Amino acid sequence: GAVVSQHPSRVICKSGTSVKIECRSLDFQATTMFWYRQFPKKSLMLMATSNEGSKATYEQGVEKDKFLINHASLTLSTLTVTSAHPEDSSFYICSANKPSGSTSTDTQYFGPGTRLTVL
Amino acid sequence: GQNIDQPTEMTATEGAIVQINCTYQTSGFNGLFWYQQHAGEAPTFLSYNVLDGLEEKGRFSSFLSRSKGYSYLLLKELQMKDSASYLCAVRVHTPLVFGKGTRLSVIA
Repeated sequence: GAVVSQHPSRVICKSGTSVKIECRSLDFQATTMFWYRQFPKKSLMLMATSNEGSKATYEQGVEKDKFLINHASLTLSTLTVTSAHPEDSSFYICSANKPSGSTSTDTQYFGPGTRLTVL
Repeated sequence: GQNIDQPTEMTATEGAIVQINCTYQTSGFNGLFWYQQHAGEAPTFLSYNVLDGLEEKGRFSSFLSRSKGYSYLLLKELQMKDSASYLCAVRVHTPLVFGKGTRLSVIA
């Protein structure tokens, strides 16, 4: 298997503050990582694709100025929720593509998720 | 667009066998994945099919028919800890396209 870590696992913050979430691939290099959010009992919603050394690609309807993504190295991507509001409260999950030599056979491994609560 | 359908909820008895179906209509296909997700946790990888047929891994098996756009996940000897959501996902390109998940409840 492959290990992806995420930190912090839980965060509670006041409205208006910014929160940074880290995603690390521990035993492989990931040129591509993905950020999802998930509301209770709902499916995963892809927010953005994070590419090492270049700008992230955001899905339609996701505000790039609110959800800042930085993929500074082959093992680390960060998501910063800026000026968080209660409606941003959600479960944020990252995943990393473990390369196999062909993008058609890569496997996505998920981090354990970060539960964000904005008061 | 991409469309992946799976039942919303299923209930099965401890010790029994359950089959979770998934049908897909996508613009391309480079493999089908099944993930398990317990409440409040991230998904964990269960299986991967890219060729037609059955892949068996212990109590879990996954089947694929590319011509029918159909897959199923078979869980045998159900245990209470198998209560979770099961996500079907198709790789068209990167990233995976996920279905809405099937919430399985295992009862005594």
